[in-house]
Amino acid sequence: GENVEQHPSTLSVQEGDSAVIKCTYSDSASNYFPWYKQELGKRPQLIIDIRSNVGEKKDQRIAVTLNKTAKHFSLHITETQPEDSAVYFCAANPQGAQKLVFGQGTRLTINP
Amino acid sequence: DAGVIQSPRHEVTEMGQEVTLRCKPISGHDYLFWYRQTMMRGLELLIYFNNNVPIDDSGMPEDRFSAKMPNASFSTLKIQPSEPRDSAVYFCASTETGSSYNEQFFGPGTRLTVL
Repeated sequence: GENVEQHPSTLSVQEGDSAVIKCTYSDSASNYFPWYKQELGKRPQLIIDIRSNVGEKKDQRIAVTLNKTAKHFSLHITETQPEDSAVYFCAANPQGAQKLVFGQGTRLTINP
Repeated sequence: DAGVIQSPRHEVTEMGQEVTLRCKPISGHDYLFWYRQTMMRGLELLIYFNNNVPIDDSGMPEDRFSAKMPNASFSTLKIQPSEPRDSAVYFCASTETGSSYNEQFFGPGTRLTVL
């Protein structure tokens, strides 16, 4: 089945710097790659997603890139702010189905 | 819309007891997912339904776990008998086909503690 690997598991950056989180997936039939943000004690919420027919997508300070050949995708956060501190999860949909397989998560800490 | 609704928000029970978690998906959504989140195993998909029919229950850990969806607006996840290792946050999520996006909307979760 689909395996989604995410790294790093923890990431600490200075406020204003950029943060990059990377994920790899195993099922070449996956065609949807969302990123979720989970604040402490809260539910996961979608922040950005990308489909396999697109190489890059940007939304203000957040961008996601996808390399289908290498089967990896990345989340980029620029000009980080304290409210970006959270756990971030990547995911992929095996066999192009509706279900998602999640990575293990990255705990991002923004230092003032 | 109120979003995905889960109850109870917190449940503390003793080993061996039956636990029932409840979920109401967003109206009009035809997919419903049950996840379990722990520090050790992360966010795991347990089972998901499409139009009230279970599609994939390969993530259900063992026979102690069962899930039902009797109608489009209600689902339950039952653990009987419960064990301390079942302690986790259980999330329900829903989505709809036919739209351009597959976004899954999560409920607030049920924090289960089995003593």
